[in-house]
Amino acid sequence: AQSVTQPDIHITVSEGASLELRCNYSYGATPYLFWYVQSPGQGLQLLLKYFSGDTLVQGIKGFEAEFKRSQSSFNLRKPSVHWSDAAEYFCAGSNTGFQKLVFGTGTRLLVSP
Amino acid sequence: NAGVTQTPKFRVLKTGQSMTLLCAQDMNHEYMYWYRQDPGMGLRLIHYSVGEGTTAKGEVPDGYNVSRLKKQNFLLGLESAAPSQTSVYFCASSPPGGGTGELFFGEGSRLTVL
Repeated sequence: AQSVTQPDIHITVSEGASLELRCNYSYGATPYLFWYVQSPGQGLQLLLKYFSGDTLVQGIKGFEAEFKRSQSSFNLRKPSVHWSDAAEYFCAGSNTGFQKLVFGTGTRLLVSP
Repeated sequence: NAGVTQTPKFRVLKTGQSMTLLCAQDMNHEYMYWYRQDPGMGLRLIHYSVGEGTTAKGEVPDGYNVSRLKKQNFLLGLESAAPSQTSVYFCASSPPGGGTGELFFGEGSRLTVL
């Protein structure tokens, strides 16, 4: 089945350290790929998206992600994490249009002082 | 600017009871969606609508019904609630054709079925 996989359930990063959250996809063609963030008790907010073109995409809040076809990955990165980045992060993808996004199981980010 | 509003935010039901979750959006979006979020399972699409008067099944539609009588509203109904439907439900909307691919989410409705 076509899907996205987030292999890490929890990740703890020290404040100021760099961050990389992993996402792998299994689509035949180049999919539409997204990263969303969910703060506690809130809905999801879009961080960034990839459709085609430049494989390094910039998003809000200082996040970026790189599409790597050879590795079927779309990992999210941030050079320096802030305590306010603590949240749950979801990778999502589709190759059948935006109305059928498939979400990964999420990675909860904890930021230590 | 309200965006996507879900009511109620919390509800406790007994097995077999029925209820309706209301989603309202004020962004004139064509597409609307209902997802459920369960621990370790991410978000799963229940039903969606690509316009007023239309609905379609998502990944996990069983036990749910939906209606889109007005463009701004998308209702999710549970006719006979079961404990397996205990979850957090999220409504989302997007512009026609999915727009840029961004979904705009409500804050969620937490449902507990005893």
